[in-house]
Amino acid sequence: GENVEQHPSTLSVQEGDSAVIKCTYSDSASNYFPWYKQELGKRPQLIIDIRSNVGEKKDQRIAVTLNKTAKHFSLHITETQPEDSAVYFCATTSGTYKYIFGTGTRLKVLA
Amino acid sequence: NAGVTQTPKFQVLKTGQSMTLQCAQDMNHNSMYWYRQDPGMGLRLIYYSASEGTTDKGEVPNGYNVSRLNKREFSLRLESAAPSQTSVYFCASSKNRQTGGNQPQHFGDGTRLSIL
Repeated sequence: GENVEQHPSTLSVQEGDSAVIKCTYSDSASNYFPWYKQELGKRPQLIIDIRSNVGEKKDQRIAVTLNKTAKHFSLHITETQPEDSAVYFCATTSGTYKYIFGTGTRLKVLA
Repeated sequence: NAGVTQTPKFQVLKTGQSMTLQCAQDMNHNSMYWYRQDPGMGLRLIYYSASEGTTDKGEVPNGYNVSRLNKREFSLRLESAAPSQTSVYFCASSKNRQTGGNQPQHFGDGTRLSIL
């Protein structure tokens, strides 16, 4: 079936450094790729998303890139801050209504 | 505008008991979802409802039933709870469209369910 592989599972970076999280998907029909941030004990919240007709999207310190040929997309966080510490999930769509989530990356930003 | 509201927030059950988790959204979204989240497993889809009047199985439907009561409400029922169903349950909704592409999901605050 459809799946999404997410790496790494944990990531520690020094404050001010960049962090990159990568996801690989299997369904070539996937056309929507959101990223969610989940702080401890909280709900997942959308931070950025990209559609299949776009290769890159930026929002301040956060960017997402998409390589449809290789079926992978990545989240880039620049100038990391302690408040960026959280679990990040990638997701993609399977069909029109189903979303498949990666297993998450726990990001720790060390002060 | 509350978004997605889940009740209860916490629940402890004994094995074999039944209960219903409630979810309501006030964003006029047509699609609603139930996920469970276990440590290291990410979010796994239990059931979803693409639109009012339809429901479909996700990845892990066994042991659960759902009801799309109306456009706003989507409930998840555990008929005979088992310890393996101890988890955090999230409800989500989105304004998906047949054309125009998928839309972001909005999540509720979750229900933390423990089954002894």
